[in-house]
Amino acid sequence: NAGVTQTPKFQVLKTGQSMTLQCAQDMNHEYMSWYRQDPGMGLRLIHYSVGAGITDQGEVPNGYNVSRSTTEDFPLRLLSAAPSQTSVYFCASSPSFIKAPSTYGYTFGSGTRLTVV
Amino acid sequence: AQSVTQLDSHVSVSEGTPVLLRCNYSSSYSPSLFWYVQHPNKGLQLLLKYTSAATLVKGINGFEAEFKKSETSFHLTKPSAHMSDAAEYFCVVSRYGNKLVFGAGTILRVKS
Repeated sequence: NAGVTQTPKFQVLKTGQSMTLQCAQDMNHEYMSWYRQDPGMGLRLIHYSVGAGITDQGEVPNGYNVSRSTTEDFPLRLLSAAPSQTSVYFCASSPSFIKAPSTYGYTFGSGTRLTVV
Repeated sequence: AQSVTQLDSHVSVSEGTPVLLRCNYSSSYSPSLFWYVQHPNKGLQLLLKYTSAATLVKGINGFEAEFKKSETSFHLTKPSAHMSDAAEYFCVVSRYGNKLVFGAGTILRVKS
């Protein structure tokens, strides 16, 4: 059982480059989301999706794009990387968006460590 | 709006002694609260969750937390620390629509 798979695990980008962080889940989860983790700030929500074809912004969406063409995949795109986007990125999924989050847990991927130089 | 404050950025204990990681929350309605643990270079693992049932919640690896509405607290405890407990711990409150709000994290160090 794979759960939530994130690729790559590590990436170094130059300022201005673009790239896509991949996230895939095999649990048929309705809800998927992207967080970034920075020291002393916990995790902050970037974008989320409540189902295929539906996405919305989180707390820190600037500089990132997402799409959800299938239930399984939720890629995060950096259009023009900046040093401020150096962070660890986590993808998380949950079975349902509508039902209370206490009913279901969240499954997190193992993270992508991104450095922008 | 929901928010979470973890009162200590670092906690250091000796192996075999009790662990206390403090968390205060603010919420405009009855919250869902979680504790997650992150070991170095790993993803996040759910320790326990408060679901508005019992106020004392038991989690994995001997951890437990008590929901105290009057104090707006959800402190995490363990009677006896083990070296493998060394990690970063996050207190989390849920917002409307499945959104999570994370505390800044507490790094637990366990000394032998």
